Amino acid sequence: GAGVSQSPRYKVAKRGQDVALRCDPISGHVSLFWYQQALGQGPEFLTYFQNEAQLDKSGLPSDRFFAERPEGSVSTLKIQRTQQEDSAVYLCASSLGQGPSYEQYFGPGTRLTVT
Amino acid sequence: AQKVTQAQTEISVVEKEDVTLDCVYETRDTTYYLFWYKQPPSGELVFLIRRNSFDEQNEISGRYSWNFQKSTSSFNFTITASQVVDSAVYFCALSEASGGRRALTFGSGTRLQVQP
Repeated sequence: GAGVSQSPRYKVAKRGQDVALRCDPISGHVSLFWYQQALGQGPEFLTYFQNEAQLDKSGLPSDRFFAERPEGSVSTLKIQRTQQEDSAVYLCASSLGQGPSYEQYFGPGTRLTVT
Repeated sequence: AQKVTQAQTEISVVEKEDVTLDCVYETRDTTYYLFWYKQPPSGELVFLIRRNSFDEQNEISGRYSWNFQKSTSSFNFTITASQVVDSAVYFCALSEASGGRRALTFGSGTRLQVQP
């Protein structure tokens, strides 16, 4: 079966541009997460959806970051007015259930480079 | 607040050696879950194992084994007879049951290099 997919895999943006990153979770997975991974670091939580509801956005670093999952499936992470510090790999993960015990399955990530 | 520490930044071994990756965690919750993930050079995080806080039984899966000790807040991962294909970055992660938070808190990872 298909895993989590993300697009684009690589994105180069000029400082100040807006970008949109897409995540297709595993079909039927209720929960969807976005993480940011800086070079040489572990992933850091950005936001969490249960179906279409965004239940936790405590990790979003600024109001330039916005995520949505309007139909409870595909999700988009949007970054407005990109800055150099936004350069990182953005990982999407999904899990079957809504509890903390469910393992999260990760996509390959989108590597964002802001020049 | 929860925290995961992986003190070993990088480990290099020769094929067939055993290697242990350390993970120490901090949490105030009595119910929590610990995970190990592997991140090969391709970049995709691969789930390896989950343990809950009530189950301290050690687990073995092929060449992999995990030692969970609540007394020392550790959840260490051992690879027996390492192989070149084990070369990757390994992450330990924690999730807590209370507060509605569902995010994983990751350690900074240990890069394992297995030389032929």
